[in-house]
Amino acid sequence: DVKVTQSSRYLVKRTGEKVFLECVQDMDHENMFWYRQDPGLGLRLIYFSYDVKMKEKGDIPEGYSVSREKKERFSLILESASTNQTSMYLCASSSLAGESNEQFFGPGTRLTVL
Amino acid sequence: GQNIDQPTEMTATEGAIVQINCTYQTSGFNGLFWYQQHAGEAPTFLSYNVLDGLEEKGRFSSFLSRSKGYSYLLLKELQMKDSASYLCAVMDSNYQLIWGAGTKLIIKP
Repeated sequence: DVKVTQSSRYLVKRTGEKVFLECVQDMDHENMFWYRQDPGLGLRLIYFSYDVKMKEKGDIPEGYSVSREKKERFSLILESASTNQTSMYLCASSSLAGESNEQFFGPGTRLTVL
Repeated sequence: GQNIDQPTEMTATEGAIVQINCTYQTSGFNGLFWYQQHAGEAPTFLSYNVLDGLEEKGRFSSFLSRSKGYSYLLLKELQMKDSASYLCAVMDSNYQLIWGAGTKLIIKP
């Protein structure tokens, strides 16, 4: 089974703090994604990566950065957290092979910025 | 712009059948996905359609009409554990997933 893990289920930070969200997958997937999920909205793509050291902006990259130094790990960084970044953050991975390229999700990190 | 529409909430009775609709307008089409998401948990993959027609997988079926930009997820013999949100997502011409806001399905005894 594909396993995608995220470093924290719940996180509380203060405005202006630097926040690191870590994601690790164990299935040698090439693609990794960071989304945020807010009530009444669909998942919104923040950043994605198709390979080590490669990153692409998604729909809402402002206020975020990412790092992919190893194939299995994809980190999301909030340089200076703000209250409007309070959200559920979901990491996902997928393979280039296979019929559907379905994405496998981690359990999510619920971040609250005070 | 790109848009995925699905009802916000639906209610159904245990043992019954429910159909959740999804309409889409996207730049290109490389498949449509349905995911299930229980409250507080991660989405899990249910089905994938890239050709027109019905795909059946146990109690769940998914239908696609590309010409109409339309899909539905059919859930039969509903169980209480089917209470969840159901997310429709379309892979566009850039192989990016465009997500609907999800349909919250409430199952009543």
